[in-house]
Amino acid sequence: EAGVTQFPSHSVIEKGQTVTLRCDPISGHDNLYWYRRVMGKEIKFLLHFVKESKQDESGMPNNRFLAERTGGTYSTLKVQPAELEDSGVYFCASSLYRGLREKLFFGSGTQLSVL
Amino acid sequence: AQSVTQLGSHVSVSEGALVLLRCNYSSSVPPYLFWYVQYPNQGLQLLLKYTSAATLVKGINGFEAEFKKSETSFHLTKPSAHMSDAAEYFCAAFHMNRDDKIIFGKGTRLHILP
Repeated sequence: EAGVTQFPSHSVIEKGQTVTLRCDPISGHDNLYWYRRVMGKEIKFLLHFVKESKQDESGMPNNRFLAERTGGTYSTLKVQPAELEDSGVYFCASSLYRGLREKLFFGSGTQLSVL
Repeated sequence: AQSVTQLGSHVSVSEGALVLLRCNYSSSVPPYLFWYVQYPNQGLQLLLKYTSAATLVKGINGFEAEFKKSETSFHLTKPSAHMSDAAEYFCAAFHMNRDDKIIFGKGTRLHILP
């Protein structure tokens, strides 16, 4: 069974450019999460999809970030325009259930460098 | 707001020595607690989790963690380190019936010395 896959694994862009990150969750997982880790800091929650609906987007830093999950399958996270402080590792995770039974399966992350 | 604190961003131990990675949480109500591990170029994997059933939790690869409410701690241990244990370890907390998000610590990178 394929795990959570993220693409690209690395992205280097200049300030002001646009970048789109993609996450393919495990098939059948309704819950999809985006997290971000800025270097040296904790992994922080960005948002949570249940199927195609945004359940919680309280962690999104600002309106330069746009997440979508059309059809409830894969998700994209677009940063437009990118700023220096957006650099970090963006993790995607999926789970079958929420709450106590929740077991998150993580992708290997996308390392974003904004120069 | 609840938080998770991991003492030491880098820990080095000799192969065969005891591994101890520290984690403390701040919450008046004990949360559910997790340890995740990230090996190079891989995603985070769940090592173990505490869900109030037993205070000593055994995980994969010989790791275990003990929940101590009086100390608000959930330290991760392994009796004898192996070279393959070199990785980054994250402690995390989750509250049922709250905002339903897992809160992570800053991570501790474990180095194994030959």
